[in-house]
Amino acid sequence: EVQLVESGGGLVQPGGSLKLSCAASGFTFSDSAMHWVRQASGKGLEWVGRIKNKANNYATAYSASVKGRFTISRDDSKNTAYLQMNSLKTEDTAVYYCISSPEDYWGQGTLVTVSS
Amino acid sequence: DIVMTQSPDSLAVSLGERATINCKSSQSVLYSSDNKNYLAWYQQKPGQTPKLLIYWASTRESGVPDRFSGSGSGTDFTLTISSLQAEDVAVYYCHQYYSIPRTFGQGTKVEIK
Repeated sequence: EVQLVESGGGLVQPGGSLKLSCAASGFTFSDSAMHWVRQASGKGLEWVGRIKNKANNYATAYSASVKGRFTISRDDSKNTAYLQMNSLKTEDTAVYYCISSPEDYWGQGTLVTVSS
Repeated sequence: DIVMTQSPDSLAVSLGERATINCKSSQSVLYSSDNKNYLAWYQQKPGQTPKLLIYWASTRESGVPDRFSGSGSGTDFTLTISSLQAEDVAVYYCHQYYSIPRTFGQGTKVEIK
């Protein structure tokens, strides 16, 4: 059974940091690119960024809204992708999903709340 | 960035009737080297994770009912639900994966009339 399980969400103050994890199983994680997408409450979907696989040099890309503050990484030995979020802003409050590509498997999401 | 614009923002359709959602991209998502449109459609039911319905603009994902169909090319795309069922109440998003940053439409809410 394919699973993507996000963890690490929670409440953080503006300017703080948080690291999300996305643990994968049931498919060949190392072959996949991994994306992060977020969704603020009652709002639409926003692509955050992605990391490609080893064959593509683990290339990363980010949306303009998070570039320079967020970093995506992965550990293929642990079948896990990460989203390091620094200098968090209130507008980063959202449910964060990890997604595999090209398979398009989604995790259940983890809620990040940035508030004082 | 490629801007994806959906219309309408919401629509109410009677059970068994056709629902049509449009999506327009600010630039073409047709890749000339493989002649594929890098356009997908997602369905998000209340409280659930988005689910892939259509990719390459018109290829139905495995297990998706055949009442869902996608069409279009270049910059103009359509998702059609041929006979709306109660379980189709959801928000539908188009999504381009032609270029970075990937972008989504703002969503179209489909309800029962």
